[in-house]
Amino acid sequence: KNEVEQSPQNLTAQEGEFITINCSYSVGISALHWLQQHPGGGIVSLFMLSSGKKKHGRLIATINIQEKHSSLHITASHPRDSAVYICAVDSTNTGNQFYFGTGTSLTVIP
Amino acid sequence: NAGVTQTPKFRILKIGQSMTLQCTQDMNHNYMYWYRQDPGMGLKLIYYSVGAGITDKGEVPNGYNVSRSTTEDFPLRLELAAPSQTSVYFCASSRLTEAFFGQGTRLTVV
Repeated sequence: KNEVEQSPQNLTAQEGEFITINCSYSVGISALHWLQQHPGGGIVSLFMLSSGKKKHGRLIATINIQEKHSSLHITASHPRDSAVYICAVDSTNTGNQFYFGTGTSLTVIP
Repeated sequence: NAGVTQTPKFRILKIGQSMTLQCTQDMNHNYMYWYRQDPGMGLKLIYYSVGAGITDKGEVPNGYNVSRSTTEDFPLRLELAAPSQTSVYFCASSRLTEAFFGQGTRLTVV
């Protein structure tokens, strides 16, 4: 049983396309995080959400607490967006322990 | 402003050798985690700690040990290294809804 499920697992897009990555979770949360991991690189936090929507440049993250679902959107995708995107939640069920999705591997083709 | 510092960044071990992966954070975070990430796979929790003196097993603890004598440090010990432990290891820390990751340690067991 995975507390956090992401879809799709792999995604290939043409440069300029609008991209959506989905995340569903089954535990009560304080916040949801979207993380980015470049090939061979470290992990950086893109967004932390507890409600509504956040936007940073071409990235938009939304969360629906009632449906326990979040989406990460990338507008006008670019090859430099190619990375693994990971959804993570910090769970109120277990005293703020983090749970991670397995990641979505995105490749943007020029 | 160091955040989470992991050492070493790369290591090659022979089968049966032991080593300790170091992790230090300077943000006074209560929670610390060790994850491994196999090629093309998501993060799997090895051990976590909710504070100094308290550790608990994650999803894949076999072959590893941890200790948490201080809030800042959370070393991961590999005893009798095996090829199955070839992976990238990430240390992370969190407090309430903040989470930060180290840069990762790429370990190869030959």
